[in-house]
Amino acid sequence: NAGVTQTPKFQVLKTGQSMTLQCAQDMNHNSMYWYRQDPGMGLRLIYYSASEGTTDKGEVPNGYNVSRLNKREFSLRLESAAPSQTSVYFCATHRYASSYNEQFFGPGTRLTVL
Amino acid sequence: QKEVEQDPGPLSVPEGAIVSLNCTYSNSAFQYFMWYRQYSRKGPELLMYTYSSGNKEDGRFTAQVDKSSKYISLFIRDSQPSDSATYLCAMSADSSYKLIFGSGTRLLVRP
Repeated sequence: NAGVTQTPKFQVLKTGQSMTLQCAQDMNHNSMYWYRQDPGMGLRLIYYSASEGTTDKGEVPNGYNVSRLNKREFSLRLESAAPSQTSVYFCATHRYASSYNEQFFGPGTRLTVL
Repeated sequence: QKEVEQDPGPLSVPEGAIVSLNCTYSNSAFQYFMWYRQYSRKGPELLMYTYSSGNKEDGRFTAQVDKSSKYISLFIRDSQPSDSATYLCAMSADSSYKLIFGSGTRLLVRP
């Protein structure tokens, strides 16, 4: 069981370049999330997907697009990268039942935009 | 003003000490409260989850929620060097579970 996997682990881009961050889960969870983490800012929600075929904006969606390809995969795309998008990006899935409520996070992608 | 405020630390304590970590929030609609632990260069992992007000205990960890004061706490008893990490509080108002995170408190437990 890999849980939540993210690729790539590290990436350096030049301003204006595009790239897609990949996330996959084998936990059979419906909900998936993309966060960014910046020093002193905690984690901020970029986009989330409550189920396959649906996506919704979070707190900081500008400059990003997402695709919920199927139940397992949720990708984040930067069309024209900017230095302000230098951050650590985390993908997460969500499990809810009567006795627990948990988000499982991937290992993160460290992105630098020059 | 941020919706969730958390002292960034760092907080340095000797091994065996009782640690108190806190968050305050402004949105009275928050009902779901969580504490995550994040080791350096890793993703966050859930430590404690509390719905609405009250206390919850799990081993050396106790989470408290005071909705009247908009204040949540995490206590760690008999702290260990392995507890050294950043602790993030997180909250949500509804079943979509869009979490709002605090900025995290860095904890160092000295042997």
